[in-house]
Amino acid sequence: NAGVTQTPKFQVLKTGQSMTLQCAQDMNHEYMSWYRQDPGMGLRLIHYSVGAGITDQGEVPNGYNVSRSTTEDFPLRLLSAAPSQTSVYFCASSYSGTGTEKLFFGSGTQLSVL
Amino acid sequence: QKEVEQDPGPLSVPEGAIVSLNCTYSNSAFQYFMWYRQYSRKGPELLMYTYSSGNKEDGRFTAQVDKSSKYISLFIRDSQPSDSATYLCAMTRLGTTDSWGKLQFGAGTQVVVTP
Repeated sequence: NAGVTQTPKFQVLKTGQSMTLQCAQDMNHEYMSWYRQDPGMGLRLIHYSVGAGITDQGEVPNGYNVSRSTTEDFPLRLLSAAPSQTSVYFCASSYSGTGTEKLFFGSGTQLSVL
Repeated sequence: QKEVEQDPGPLSVPEGAIVSLNCTYSNSAFQYFMWYRQYSRKGPELLMYTYSSGNKEDGRFTAQVDKSSKYISLFIRDSQPSDSATYLCAMTRLGTTDSWGKLQFGAGTQVVVTP
């Protein structure tokens, strides 16, 4: 099993550009989420989904959109990139999302916005 | 003020020493506590979890929770160079769907174990 796969691994954008970070999991997990990791800030939740067609905002949702059309995929869209969105982005999944089960993380996307 | 505070380190120890890591938190509603390990340029992976106050052991690792002081710890005995990583504490409330998926992470402590 591949687990949680994120693409691309690295990306450089100019301010104002848009892009989509891809996330796919092959474990049939209902819960998927996106985090950003910044020095000194830890992992902060951006958006999450408890199943296909259901999404909700996390702690830092502004500037990001998500949708969940299938169980496997959970893309994160940056609408108009800003330097403040320079970060490492992690996608994670788990069986049900109650918070008590193991989160499986992807290997991350390092994004720089110039 | 952050809900979860964790010293970022780095914490450098010689091989074989005991590594002591800790987090403090302010929200008394947190009931489920975890430690994740993150190697450089990788995603975090779950190391240990616990619900209750007291100690939980798993091999060389011991997780400790003191809910009265809002303080959790992770101890690594007989540390190895392969333990060099960033260790993140995480915690969550339980019991309502409002808390689902909303883990609060500490900033992570970088640990370096030197041979």
